[in-house]
Amino acid sequence: DAGVTQSPTHLIKTRGQQVTLRCSPKSGHDTVSWYQQALGQGPQFIFQYYEEEERQRGNFPDRFSGHQFPNYSSELNVNALLLGDSALYLCASSSYASGGLRAQYFGPGTRLTVL
Amino acid sequence: GEDVEQSLFLSVREGDSSVINCTYTDSSSTYLYWYKQEPGAGLQLLTYIFSNMDMKQDQRLTVLLNKKDKHLSLRIADTQTGDSAIYFCAESRTKAAGNKLTFGGGTRVLVKP
Repeated sequence: DAGVTQSPTHLIKTRGQQVTLRCSPKSGHDTVSWYQQALGQGPQFIFQYYEEEERQRGNFPDRFSGHQFPNYSSELNVNALLLGDSALYLCASSSYASGGLRAQYFGPGTRLTVL
Repeated sequence: GEDVEQSLFLSVREGDSSVINCTYTDSSSTYLYWYKQEPGAGLQLLTYIFSNMDMKQDQRLTVLLNKKDKHLSLRIADTQTGDSAIYFCAESRTKAAGNKLTFGGGTRVLVKP
């Protein structure tokens, strides 16, 4: 049973560019959440997608956007990159049908470096 | 408001027990989680506890929850060198629209032979 997968594993961009990160959820999961983890810190919630809609959003600017596809996979897009966007971007999947628990399982992350 | 805090570092001898502590401020938290992160990797879900429980045991892991003091702890029995990692506690509140996780800053555990 494949777990959560993310691509690419590493990415280097320059300021002002745009980036797209991809995530495939664990088999049987229908909800995808994205987190940003700066070096030496805990992950910060960006947003969550369910039924192809953004359901909840953290305190991130509109430069951060996403999408969920009918097969439950998801993309995170970041426009006008800033140096401060350098971080590990983590995708987590969960099952809405599991009720209140909805434990989130994380992928290995995409390391984004902005120069 | 939402705030989760952890101590930064814990050093322990192989074979001893480790106790990692966490405090949270949101009294409406419904689930509390412990995740493990090894260098260069994502987060591995270790265990969780529902807010109406005060203890949960899972093999070498014991979670204690003091809801009155909003204090959560993770005890690892017979700590091994493979337990060296960063441990994050996280809380969530179930909402119809979803359940974002709020994480602490992580506790780095170093296991010495």
